[in-house]
Amino acid sequence: AQSVAQPEDQVNVAEGNPLTVKCTYSVSGNPYLFWYVQYPNRGLQFLLKYITGDNLVKGSYGFEAEFNKSQTSFHLKKPSALVSDSALYFCAVRDSEGQNFVFGPGTRLSVLP
Amino acid sequence: EAGVAQSPRYKIIEKRQSVAFWCNPISGHATLYWYQQILGQGPKLLIQFQNNGVVDDSQLPKDRFSAERLKGVDSTLKIQPAKLEDSAVYLCASSPGGWRGNRGEQFFGPGTRLTVL
Repeated sequence: AQSVAQPEDQVNVAEGNPLTVKCTYSVSGNPYLFWYVQYPNRGLQFLLKYITGDNLVKGSYGFEAEFNKSQTSFHLKKPSALVSDSALYFCAVRDSEGQNFVFGPGTRLSVLP
Repeated sequence: EAGVAQSPRYKIIEKRQSVAFWCNPISGHATLYWYQQILGQGPKLLIQFQNNGVVDDSQLPKDRFSAERLKGVDSTLKIQPAKLEDSAVYLCASSPGGWRGNRGEQFFGPGTRLTVL
């Protein structure tokens, strides 16, 4: 069965500093990996995805994520955090057959001014 | 482009009552998903439709939950009878393309917050 782990419930970072939100996964076959963000009182929004190709993928709002097959990780990164980045971030995985979407438990990011 | 629409936004019922949620996906999106998000947890996939056919309902509690997507457009999720543990936000999402070929980007609606007393 597929699974996603986000080892940190909460990440605090100062505005302007780099941020990392961690994600590790377990899936049979080649993984399709995603990051979504949930702002207060708003729906989930897609940030970026890894399907194949370059291990470093770029997404919305200046975010990027690095796929590491040997470590089964897909960490979300941003070079310089903004206060407006404060939100709940979810990592997700699906199998190559298009089924079995699984979301992680989420990591709350707080960017402090 | 209009987003995914859901109604109602909020619903409060007593246990053992029935409730239904409605979702209208983005026009032309073939794949539709229903998720349950319990407070403090990530969304859990309940059911995935490709047009009007079910692709995955392995996590749908079929003794009390049912869903349909007539004509391959909008969808209804029903709970009958509701239990206290069904209190959650029910999210609907849609994706363009077929469930095999689509690249997985999902567009989410605002959700329906269900409280079961």
